[in-house]
Amino acid sequence: QKEVEQDPGPLSVPEGAIVSLNCTYSNSAFQYFMWYRQYSRKGPELLMYTYSSGNKEDGRFTAQVDKSSKYISLFIRDSQPSDSATYLCAMALGRGYQKVTFGIGTKLQVIP
Amino acid sequence: GAVVSQHPSWVICKSGTSVKIECRSLDFQATTMFWYRQFPKQSLMLMATSNEGSKATYEQGVEKDKFLINHASLTLSTLTVTSAHPEDSSFYICSAVGFGSYNEQFFGPGTRLTVL
Repeated sequence: QKEVEQDPGPLSVPEGAIVSLNCTYSNSAFQYFMWYRQYSRKGPELLMYTYSSGNKEDGRFTAQVDKSSKYISLFIRDSQPSDSATYLCAMALGRGYQKVTFGIGTKLQVIP
Repeated sequence: GAVVSQHPSWVICKSGTSVKIECRSLDFQATTMFWYRQFPKQSLMLMATSNEGSKATYEQGVEKDKFLINHASLTLSTLTVTSAHPEDSSFYICSAVGFGSYNEQFFGPGTRLTVL
């Protein structure tokens, strides 16, 4: 079993839709959770990070962490064609641990 | 802020040659730099962790004699793929962590290596 499971997609949605991206993980010791966006042939860029359980909102993006279910989500409201990219979840044991485990990434396409 | 650059962005080389990839943090000093490899339709796989002035820590299964890492300063790390073979063809990405930023890794744009 992989430490982090993420559906690779692709996921196609119409412009304006709410997008839900998810990851599950097996290591209950993970405490620091991140979402990265990666455009084709580019390095990932950090979108959001959350420490422990809870929600975090930043503009059109909301990250949720449910540690009891070992499940994290990223919601994108009012999706735009420019959101089309691969979204990678990532997690670490804690703020003091720099080794990060990545999901495979979900490819998202927002259709105008 | 928090910009990381990589050079070159792509390289094609013949089998058996060595290739050097540079990773620079442009506007901050990096306590640690990481080197990842990403094959098509696969996740980022950590190859090694590099701290300035000390030997790199390699992940299990990564040959340290093949992938030489030098972290010469707080803003520069290099990865040299020695005696490259076609199976080394991949997308190599570095990331850097600044002082006090803990797990907030900032990634470079990546280097696509093709070995003929």
